[in-house]
Amino acid sequence: AQTVTQSQPEMSVQEAETVTLSCTYDTSENNYYLFWYKQPPSRQMILVIRQEAYKQQNATENRFSVNFQKAAKSFSLKISDSQLGDTAMYFCAFCFYNQGGKLIFGQGTELSVKP
Amino acid sequence: SQTIHQWPATLVQPVGSPLSLECTVEGTSNPNLYWYRQAAGRGLQLLFYSVGIGQISSEVPQNLSASRPQDRQFILSSKKLLLSDSGFYLCAWSPSTAHQPQHFGDGTRLSIL
Repeated sequence: AQTVTQSQPEMSVQEAETVTLSCTYDTSENNYYLFWYKQPPSRQMILVIRQEAYKQQNATENRFSVNFQKAAKSFSLKISDSQLGDTAMYFCAFCFYNQGGKLIFGQGTELSVKP
Repeated sequence: SQTIHQWPATLVQPVGSPLSLECTVEGTSNPNLYWYRQAAGRGLQLLFYSVGIGQISSEVPQNLSASRPQDRQFILSSKKLLLSDSGFYLCAWSPSTAHQPQHFGDGTRLSIL
């Protein structure tokens, strides 16, 4: 079965601090893409960052970076200098090369950034 | 630039009534299209996806169906809604070329009474 597990249903962090959200996945495929999406209270789904599984270098996008450990099937998201606007649900997801690009999502981590 | 439109934003329907949610994409051609359902603010469940006109793949057996009558139009339907169909429905698109991220519409909040 192809699954994504986010083991932290809720997390909180102080403004300007750093927080790491964990994600593990299970697949027997070798070629896939990984994503983190953010869903603020407006419920709009916003792409945060993506990682190609064949790349060893971890992706970064401004204050957001990932720690991709392919052998461990782990894909954590680090948010540096947390801002109040980072408060949202964060979803980890992946898709395969040859399945119409469909995404498999984790259950999400609700992140609260406190002033 | 590409945009995705999904409507209505909110819908309240009685049990047993029909359903039609529509999604259109502008600024691109031959996109991959997707319908997801999100229950209680948790993870998204893929319902249907389409890689071309008339090509629909169903992921979950259920009371719903999908159609793609035009290249950039994706419709989610039901003949008779159940209470369990309540939820937040999201349409998404991605380029047909390899493995670009999906971009989501603003969603439809569906309540069944």
